[in-house]
This record gives sequence, C-alpha cells and structure tokens, in this order.
Amino acid sequence: EIVLTQSPATLSLSPGQRAILSCRASQRISTYLAWYQHKPGQAPRLLIYDASHRATGIPARFGGRGSGTDFTLIIGSLEPEDFAVYYCQQRRDWPITFGQGTRLEIK
Amino acid sequence: QVQLQESGPGLLKPSQTLSLTCTVSGGPINSGGYYWSWIRQQPGRGLEWLGSIYNGGSTYYHPSLRSRITISADTSRNHFSLSLTSVTAADTAVYSCARGPRFESGFSEYNWFDPWGQGVLVTVSS
Repeated sequence: EIVLTQSPATLSLSPGQRAILSCRASQRISTYLAWYQHKPGQAPRLLIYDASHRATGIPARFGGRGSGTDFTLIIGSLEPEDFAVYYCQQRRDWPITFGQGTRLEIK
Repeated sequence: QVQLQESGPGLLKPSQTLSLTCTVSGGPINSGGYYWSWIRQQPGRGLEWLGSIYNGGSTYYHPSLRSRITISADTSRNHFSLSLTSVTAADTAVYSCARGPRFESGFSEYNWFDPWGQGVLVTVSS
C-alpha cells in the first residue's frame, strides 16, 4: 500500500498569505497524484490532478507541483473561502490511498 | 452533468449489515471507462477509499475490509451499491460515492474522483 504523508497537519494563516502544503508518497508514483479541498457538509472538490493540472473552474491561485515522491499544493493568496481541509490522493496503484489531510485554518 | 446520490439507512446496530446505494444520473455507469467508488470519512479522521467497481463487474477493495465488503452494480437501474457486513462502532462514518478512477492514458481530470455524492451519515450504535 502506498502511504501518503501530508504536512503540516494544521496550517494557520491569514487571508492574503501564501499557503504551501506538502504530500510525500512512500514510493514513487510519477505524477499520479491529485489534491482535493473538503469543507464540512460538502463533497470534496477536485483541485489539482496529475500533480500539476488545475481542474475545470479552479482559480489560478491554486497550483501543484512535484513528481516521484514529493508533491506540493500552493495557494498563492488565500481567500476566505480557501480555509478548509486539503487531501492528496494517489491512483498509481491499488489500493487507492489518501493522505491524512492538512487543515488550513484562519489565523 | 453527472450527479450521484447516496441512500440507505442511517442507523445500524452492531453486527448488522450496512447497505447503501448510489444512484447516478446524467450518464450510464457502464460507459466511459470509469470505475465507480465508495469512500468514507470516520469522525475526526480523513478520507478512506473503500472500494471500486468497473463496468458492473471487476472490483477492487481496501485490504482491511476485504472480508466484509461487497460492491455491486445494477446497470439497468444505473446505480451501484455497497454492502459491509458485521459492522461495529468503528464503521460509523459519512459514506460517499464518487465517479472514478479511470485509467485512460494522458493527463485528464476525468481520471480522478469527480463528481462525488453529498455523502450519508451512517451511525452504528446499540
């Protein structure tokens, strides 16, 4: 099983600041990684697929990079609606796995 | 536009069988090369993939649940279902269905979990 480790567990920032979230895979997964945003009571929202491609309708302030084992989600300038939990997910191999999540909270 | 909606009992007693259905609208579940999946979130924890079904037949399951889980599909009703036997309090979670993954070559957002249903809370309590 490919384990995804996200850091930090919680990130406290203010609107307008830049957020950098990390996801590390226990083995190489090429670019088979996605990022989701999850807010309470809502379905998770696909943000970034294949490590660096923005999904349809996702604002340009969201960006992803990485390949192999180390991946990063960058939110360029935080908007109030960006405070949520973010998960990475791999589909390089079964079982599909998610990271444990990073909670992005308002400072 | 594809939409998914989960349905099923919200309260179970320990040892019972959890049965949920995901009804898909806006497109047939037996086309497009998609797997259709179940994912849950236990209280205070992250997302956990449970299993996926492809074209009404081929399935993959989370190793820790393999002895208790069955995912099936009814293409005539355009829905797929989750069955989880011998539930315990640890199976209390919000259960969501999602389209995906898909394993087409190249970069595509359609290869990932999207869209998702809204999720349904299932509580296991005596």
